[in-house]
Amino acid sequence: QKEVEQNSGPLSVPEGAIASLNCTYSDRGSQSFFWYRQYSGKSPELIMSIYSNGDKEDGRFTAQLNKASQYVSLLIRDSQPSDSATYLCAVYGGNKLVFGAGTILRVKS
Amino acid sequence: EAQVTQNPRYLITVTGKKLTVTCSQNMNHEYMSWYRQDPGLGLRQIYYSMNVEVTDKGDVPEGYKVSRKEKRNFPLILESPSPNQTSLYFCASSPGGAGGYEQYFGPGTRLTVT
Repeated sequence: QKEVEQNSGPLSVPEGAIASLNCTYSDRGSQSFFWYRQYSGKSPELIMSIYSNGDKEDGRFTAQLNKASQYVSLLIRDSQPSDSATYLCAVYGGNKLVFGAGTILRVKS
Repeated sequence: EAQVTQNPRYLITVTGKKLTVTCSQNMNHEYMSWYRQDPGLGLRQIYYSMNVEVTDKGDVPEGYKVSRKEKRNFPLILESPSPNQTSLYFCASSPGGAGGYEQYFGPGTRLTVT
């Protein structure tokens, strides 16, 4: 069974710092990789998608993909209290989307 | 407004009473999917549909059925609900194919089976 692993956290960072979230996956045939943010009681919302090795930047967010190491990460620069949420890593391959259990991020003001 | 809608949002039912949770999207997406979310387990895919002709099991399909008679709708059916199906359920859709598989989620349905 395909697996996506994330550290459950919580990861605590001070306001203005860089938050680094990591994810590993088991299926080498995976094609697409996503990061979602989920606030308590709400549905997940897409933050970033990445398809090829390297970095992809969008505002304060940078996604990094290393297919050889089967590793995806999300960096959040200048973290804000409003970034406090659960971050879900998702991997698509073989028609299925598999989610990690999520990392809780807490940004302290 | 582009959206995925689910109904009902909250449902309390008893063991064995058949129920249907509806899901509809207005984005002309091909790919639709159902997930359940439980504490500590994250989102787990129940069923997915590549298009109106192709539907397949996800990782936790036992006790569930789905139907994709038209592109916009993808209802989830629990023929005989049991307490272990108490969970938060999300429907999601994606363009699919070359359009990508970024999932757009509905607001969720919180189901309690007593």
